[in-house]
Amino acid sequence: GAGVSQSPSNKVTEKGKDVELRCDPISGHTALYWYRQSLGQGLEFLIYFQGNSAPDKSGLPSDRFSAERTGGSVSTLTIQRTQQEDSAVYLCASSPQAASYEQYFGPGTRLTVT
Amino acid sequence: GENVEQHPSTLSVQEGDSAVIKCTYSDSASNYFPWYKQELGKGPQLIIDIRSNVGEKKDQRIAVTLNKTAKHFSLHITETQPEDSAVYFCAARTSGTYKYIFGTGTRLKVLA
Repeated sequence: GAGVSQSPSNKVTEKGKDVELRCDPISGHTALYWYRQSLGQGLEFLIYFQGNSAPDKSGLPSDRFSAERTGGSVSTLTIQRTQQEDSAVYLCASSPQAASYEQYFGPGTRLTVT
Repeated sequence: GENVEQHPSTLSVQEGDSAVIKCTYSDSASNYFPWYKQELGKGPQLIIDIRSNVGEKKDQRIAVTLNKTAKHFSLHITETQPEDSAVYFCAARTSGTYKYIFGTGTRLKVLA
């Protein structure tokens, strides 16, 4: 079946502009994660959604970052007033449920802030 | 806070040789340890995992070992092939939580 999809695959933006990144999880998966992967680094946790529970936003690096998940499915990560240090690959992953250990990753969005 | 250290950062092996990547975790309550393979331009893909109630797991040419006492786990790839070339990440997750702590990755190059 279809995996996790993300759009756009690449985004180049000017410093100070806002960007929206989209994640479509696997159908029926209730848990959704956003990660940031900077060059040569591991995955940095950003935010976690589980069903209708309040999201865990503890990984968001600043108040310029926000995310929402509508209808328990599609999620959007928004970065306002982008800075050059925001340049990274943003990865989305979904899991069947909170108790499930398996994560399925999307291909990521490569964000470049010029 | 919780931490996962991964070594080496890069590894080059001749085709047919074995490759070993090691990770050490800090949270003794961690109970799930996945390994991911990330090819260029793609998201990480789970290749093997192990839970804290077993010491070793094998899937064809890939195996993972876990030493809970020492808090480290390793990925072993035997008979390496050029298509094994990728970045490999380890991770740890603690029971009752949903957060994964990732290592910084190992770039494996298999030389033909």
